[in-house]
Amino acid sequence: TQLLEQSPQFLSIQEGENLTVYCNSSSVFSSLQWYRQEPGEGPVLLVTVVTGGEVKKLKRLTFQFGDARKDSSLHITAAQPGDTGLYLCAGVRAGGTSYGKLTFGQGTILTVHP
Amino acid sequence: EAGVAQSPRYKIIEKRQSVAFWCNPISGHATLYWYQQILGQGPKLLIQFQNNGVVDDSQLPKDRFSAERLKGVDSTLKIQPAKLEDSAVYLCASSLVIRDRANEQYFGPGTRLTVT
Repeated sequence: TQLLEQSPQFLSIQEGENLTVYCNSSSVFSSLQWYRQEPGEGPVLLVTVVTGGEVKKLKRLTFQFGDARKDSSLHITAAQPGDTGLYLCAGVRAGGTSYGKLTFGQGTILTVHP
Repeated sequence: EAGVAQSPRYKIIEKRQSVAFWCNPISGHATLYWYQQILGQGPKLLIQFQNNGVVDDSQLPKDRFSAERLKGVDSTLKIQPAKLEDSAVYLCASSLVIRDRANEQYFGPGTRLTVT
């Protein structure tokens, strides 16, 4: 059972379309991060959210942390072929001593066609 | 600033053989992680070091996997003997961790292991 469930697992869209990726859990997280990974490379951090209800924007990307800090979403406006990649959410569980240990979701593979 | 370095980038071995991966973290980063990423899945933490001590190795298959971080800098991950299901990308990451708080992990490019 995945601690962090991402949906959808695969997303294939045309350039200019909007999309949303979801990251859900029954556990509470002290922080949640979104990474983007391209083939043959390691994940690269896009954003960290730490406060329930927090919204962060990065150009055409909007990230939201749920009020209860159990879920998050990534919304991309007017997707471009350069947005193609594997999007991963990852969280630090609340409570206890985790030393910053991240638990990753299974990822969403996004393909944007020109 | 130099990133996380890993070598080799690719490795093909036969089952039951041994293999070792090397990682050099970003200078000054006290925390080092090894992850296993199977195709189409998110990374799974194998082991986490704080300086040269192990913080978490609960998901490391200790009967065949071992890792060390001598002198708190470079690290090696070894598999002996390898199984077919070990085929994956092995990612190394490092961070400046503040206990129990969000931290940015910087990942290396990974080593793609194929076991035949």
